Amino acid sequence: KAGVTQTPRYLIKTRGQQVTLSCSPISGHRSVSWYQQTPGQGLQFLFEYFSETQRNKGNFPGRFSGRQFSNSRSEMNVSTLELGDSALYLCASSAATGSGNTIYFGEGSWLTVV
Amino acid sequence: QKEVEQDPGPLSVPEGAIVSLNCTYSNSAFQYFMWYRQYSRKGPELLMYTYSSGNKEDGRFTAQVDKSSKYISLFIRDSQPSDSATYLCAMSAAGGGNKLTFGTGTQLKVEL
Repeated sequence: KAGVTQTPRYLIKTRGQQVTLSCSPISGHRSVSWYQQTPGQGLQFLFEYFSETQRNKGNFPGRFSGRQFSNSRSEMNVSTLELGDSALYLCASSAATGSGNTIYFGEGSWLTVV
Repeated sequence: QKEVEQDPGPLSVPEGAIVSLNCTYSNSAFQYFMWYRQYSRKGPELLMYTYSSGNKEDGRFTAQVDKSSKYISLFIRDSQPSDSATYLCAMSAAGGGNKLTFGTGTQLKVEL
């Protein structure tokens, strides 16, 4: 069974540009969450989508947005990139939303903003 | 103060040692507790998942939860060099969906 797949794995962007990251969850999983990982702040929750609806949102500015498609695949977008947005962006999937689900992570997308 | 505190290490142990990794938390709403292992430049891998207070064992790994003390632990028996990684505790609240709150991670090195 394939795991969570994220593309692209590595990318470099310039300040002020925007970026779109893609995530394909484990087959059958309908919940997709996004996290940002940096050396200073660790892993921080961005948002969760289930059945194409945002269910939960972390404490990030509006420049960070996401969406989910009918096939459960998800994308996140960061507009007007800042140097501080350089991070590993992780996608996680789970079979359901609600409480107490097991959550599996992808390998992440490494974003460098220059 | 962070909701979840975890000693960042690094922790260096000889092969075969018993390793103890710990997290404390302040939010009493946390009900579900997980341990993830993350190798360098890889995504976190789920190791253990527990709900109630008590112990859960899986092979060389034992997860322990003490909700009264807001303290969780992961024990690794017979540690191997392949266990060298960063170990992250994570927890979620009832009704919180799939939002996980993570500790900062403990870097573990198991030496030959």
